[in-house]
Amino acid sequence: SQQGEEDPQALSIQEGENATMNCSYKTSINNLQWYRQNSGRGLVHLILIRSNEREKHSGRLRVTLDTSKKSSSLLITASRAADTASYFCATGSASNYQLIWGAGTKLIIKP
Amino acid sequence: DVKVTQSSRYLVKRTGEKVFLECVQDMDHENMFWYRQDPGLGLRLIYFSYDVKMKEKGDIPEGYSVSREKKERFSLILESASTNQTSMYLCASTGLAGGGEQFFGPGTRLTVL
Repeated sequence: SQQGEEDPQALSIQEGENATMNCSYKTSINNLQWYRQNSGRGLVHLILIRSNEREKHSGRLRVTLDTSKKSSSLLITASRAADTASYFCATGSASNYQLIWGAGTKLIIKP
Repeated sequence: DVKVTQSSRYLVKRTGEKVFLECVQDMDHENMFWYRQDPGLGLRLIYFSYDVKMKEKGDIPEGYSVSREKKERFSLILESASTNQTSMYLCASTGLAGGGEQFFGPGTRLTVL
């Protein structure tokens, strides 16, 4: 069952600009994760934020989590052509092994 | 370096054929997953396994079965392939309970004619 919903579905920006993607979810979570998928490939884990954290950084990535609004955002600063990919959020709960996935945001970085 | 491998990147089969998709991980993970990915639908869980010989249905198990005889190997079986099973199939594994980070294979793009 899908829980996460990403917004926007597609985003096209110029190289060097910042890209922001949002994710909303419906039930309580243990953590929220962001993954990247290059065209036709498997997914790569980017960052995990726990339910008791509000913000996390990793290189050019910044993730925020607002559990009261059941939403998260992923900010990619100073975008590069290599950031062109689809980005997925997924939520994990303490009670089972599964992740619940959103439909993804397709990001295109124009040179 | 952690690794999840899938037996084929591209596969073309005919309607009614039995299809085996294999996934192997070298991280000694207990949990393994099979997803299918279709445009606009994100990842949908077909089956997962939390131990050898253990399996649980995901959201869309119809038309599929799985086998986990060894810890490192998780196979997805399409008993009688149909055109609506044309999709990208992704295998993943994790060593963590509670919805932890999953490691993915490169995917198998299956076309059923």
